[in-house]
Amino acid sequence: DIQMTQSPSSLSASIGDRVTITCRASQSISNYLNWYQQKPGKAPNLLIYASSSLHNGVPSRFSGSGSGTDFTLTITSLQPEDFATYYCQESFTSGTFGPGTKVDIK
Amino acid sequence: QVQLQESGPGLVKPSGTLSLSCNVSGDSISGGNWWTWVRQPPGQGLEWIGEVYRTGTANYNPSLKSRVTISLDKSPNQFSLKLTSVTAADTAFYFCAKVDQSKFRNLHSWGQGILVTVSS
Repeated sequence: DIQMTQSPSSLSASIGDRVTITCRASQSISNYLNWYQQKPGKAPNLLIYASSSLHNGVPSRFSGSGSGTDFTLTITSLQPEDFATYYCQESFTSGTFGPGTKVDIK
Repeated sequence: QVQLQESGPGLVKPSGTLSLSCNVSGDSISGGNWWTWVRQPPGQGLEWIGEVYRTGTANYNPSLKSRVTISLDKSPNQFSLKLTSVTAADTAFYFCAKVDQSKFRNLHSWGQGILVTVSS
């Protein structure tokens, strides 16, 4: 089974900051890596698929990169609506999610 | 625009069976995509439960495989989740979602989720 890890588990940031979240797979998943944003009481929303492809309607301040086992989600110029929890998910074998990264206000 | 809606009991007794349905509109479960269940204990992270294809073929999370069944109910375009021998650890929000096979199996369409509490 593929295990997914994320770092950090939480971070505090200010409006306008650049934020980077990393995700690591226990074995190569090519670029079968998706990123989701989730706010309390809501279903997750897809941000990035195939490691770096922006989902329809997602602001361009979100970007993703990586392949194999190491991946990154970057938010340039953090906005108030970006305070949320972010999950990576591998879709190479099944659908295992990372443990999440909570982004809150500094 | 595909829409998904979970339904089922919000309370299940310990050792009982959790049964949920996901009604799909705007797409056919007989098409070329997989359909999945994901759960989230209150205040915790997301856990992939499993998925089902139009043929009825299903894949499951190894940690739940002995207790879970995901199947298709083609009339009226629903798929379902059954989880047996539940305990308090199975208390969670349960989400159904469409797996977009054409875009690296991402989950871009989700139901709103349903809270299922396991308690006597």
